[in-house]
Amino acid sequence: DVKVTQSSRYLVKRTGEKVFLECVQDMDHENMFWYRQDPGLGLRLIYFSYDVKMKEKGDIPEGYSVSREKKERFSLILESASTNQTSMYLCASSTGTSGYEQYFGPGTRLTVT
Amino acid sequence: GENVEQHPSTLSVQEGDSAVIKCTYSDSASNYFPWYKQELGKRPQLIIDIRSNVGEKKDQRIAVTLNKTAKHFSLHITETQPEDSAVYFCAASIRGNTPLVFGKGTRLSVIA
Repeated sequence: DVKVTQSSRYLVKRTGEKVFLECVQDMDHENMFWYRQDPGLGLRLIYFSYDVKMKEKGDIPEGYSVSREKKERFSLILESASTNQTSMYLCASSTGTSGYEQYFGPGTRLTVT
Repeated sequence: GENVEQHPSTLSVQEGDSAVIKCTYSDSASNYFPWYKQELGKRPQLIIDIRSNVGEKKDQRIAVTLNKTAKHFSLHITETQPEDSAVYFCAASIRGNTPLVFGKGTRLSVIA
């Protein structure tokens, strides 16, 4: 059974703080994704990675960076958190970039005050 | 790039009735169209998908139809049950090439 885990379910940070969100998958998937989910806006892709140390910008990369040092782990970094980054963050993994089922993590609800 | 429009944003149906959610896409090269279901407080999960060489696919009470000429695809749920209440997302992409582009979601409520 595929398992995608995220480091926190809920997180509260202050404006200007550096924030790390961690995602780990145990299925040896090549591809990993970070989305943010906001009411009425659906799932928007922030960054994705198709291999270790590789990263590609998604639709809304501004204010975010990522790191993938190991195949199973994909980190999302908010260099200087802002209130407009308050959101639900979902990580996903799949065996391929597209055309393959994406398995999502439980999500991290981040509040920036 | 690809753009996916999803309608309606909310849908209420009586238990036992059918529900239909429609999506349109912009890139004629797209050839993979999955649907994800997200129950309240849970993660999205794939429920059905269709590839461009198929016009219709069915899995028990759910079906998806694809019209490549018109660039739209639809999710059909028959004999709806309260456990069908969730947010449904459609998506489109070019298989094996680009990431999925999701629609904004449809909140389906099945009233008992």
